[in-house]
Amino acid sequence: NAGVTQTPKFQVLKTGQSMTLQCAQDMNHNSMYWYRQDPGMGLRLIYYSASEGTTDKGEVPNGYNVSRLNKREFSLRLESAAPSQTSVYFCASSKSGEETQYFGPGTRLLVL
Amino acid sequence: AQSVTQLGSHVSVSEGALVLLRCNYSSSVPPYLFWYVQYPNQGLQLLLKYTSAATLVKGINGFEAEFKKSETSFHLTKPSAHMSDAAEYFCAVSPHFGNEKLTFGTGTRLTIIP
Repeated sequence: NAGVTQTPKFQVLKTGQSMTLQCAQDMNHNSMYWYRQDPGMGLRLIYYSASEGTTDKGEVPNGYNVSRLNKREFSLRLESAAPSQTSVYFCASSKSGEETQYFGPGTRLLVL
Repeated sequence: AQSVTQLGSHVSVSEGALVLLRCNYSSSVPPYLFWYVQYPNQGLQLLLKYTSAATLVKGINGFEAEFKKSETSFHLTKPSAHMSDAAEYFCAVSPHFGNEKLTFGTGTRLTIIP
């Protein structure tokens, strides 16, 4: 099993450009998450999906949209990137009703 | 709302010395508590978790943590540090079983001095 995979690993954008971060898991988990990690701030939840077809906002959803395409895939879209969105983005998944989350390797995003 | 506070953003210990990373929690209901580790350029992986069974929880790589309700703490310890323990450690809290949303602390970077 590959676990949780994320693409791309690294991306540079100019302010105003758009892009989609991809995440997929092969563990048959219902729940999936997007976090951003910034120095000194830990991980903050952007969006959460409890099951296919459902999404909920987390702590810092502004400037982002998500799509739960199917049970395996959960994408994060930046419609108009801003320098404040420079960060490392992590996708995670978990079984419904279980606390342990499994993380992908991350996407490092730089917005100029 | 629940939260965790990690005291010390950077901790340095000598190889072979005791590792102690501090975490205090705030929760209106009995919490579930976690420690995750992040090695350089990698995602997070679970070290251990407390889910209201034994208060002393043993995890991977020789780490353990003790849940102390009276002190609202869940400190992470390892008796003897190894060079491979150098990483960033995150404490996290979930308010109750079935609530999968975790709230993370700001992290503690552990450096091991040879």
